[in-house]
Amino acid sequence: DAGVIQSPRHEVTEMGQEVTLRCKPISGHNSLFWYRQTMMRGLELLIYFNNNVPIDDSGMPEDRFSAKMPNASFSTLKIQPSEPRDSAVYFCASSPVGRTLYGYTFGSGTRLTVV
Amino acid sequence: AQSVTQPDIHITVSEGASLELRCNYSYGATPYLFWYVQSPGQGLQLLLKYFSGDTLVQGIKGFEAEFKRSQSSFNLRKPSVHWSDAAEYFCAVGAYSGGGADGLTFGKGTHLIIQP
Repeated sequence: DAGVIQSPRHEVTEMGQEVTLRCKPISGHNSLFWYRQTMMRGLELLIYFNNNVPIDDSGMPEDRFSAKMPNASFSTLKIQPSEPRDSAVYFCASSPVGRTLYGYTFGSGTRLTVV
Repeated sequence: AQSVTQPDIHITVSEGASLELRCNYSYGATPYLFWYVQSPGQGLQLLLKYFSGDTLVQGIKGFEAEFKRSQSSFNLRKPSVHWSDAAEYFCAVGAYSGGGADGLTFGKGTHLIIQP
């Protein structure tokens, strides 16, 4: 089991550029969560999917943020255009559908720096 | 909406000493409670969880936590800490709507420092 795989591990980009973060959940896990971690706000749930369908995106901070899950093995979080205040660590987590409350498995995160 | 408070931002403990990390939650129904640990540059790892039943739950790495409904608390304990326990610890509360699992709400974390 390779765990939840996120790429890239680090991303440095200039303000105004488009950024795409990627996540591959554990095979068989059909719930997928995107979190953002900052010193000021801690861990914030941005959006989550069950069976590739977005269930709750109320945590997405602005229209500049969008997320997709085209199939059970891949999800993206896109920021366009990026701003310095988007700098954070972005985590993806997955869980079997209906068993989320048994705990997620987190990826190692993508550290995003927008300059 | 649920919320979690971890009152201690930093805690320093001597190696071999006992540890207790505090967590208070706010939730209108029976909560589902979790403790996660995060080492530097890593994702979060589940230590233990509580759904129902015995209010004292055992987890990995020798950790345990006690659910106290009357105090809305779920404190994490370890009888004797090791230098490798130095990390960030997060308490989280979850909900289940019945129509599908919901996300977890995390506390701000407690940074544990181990003194030799």
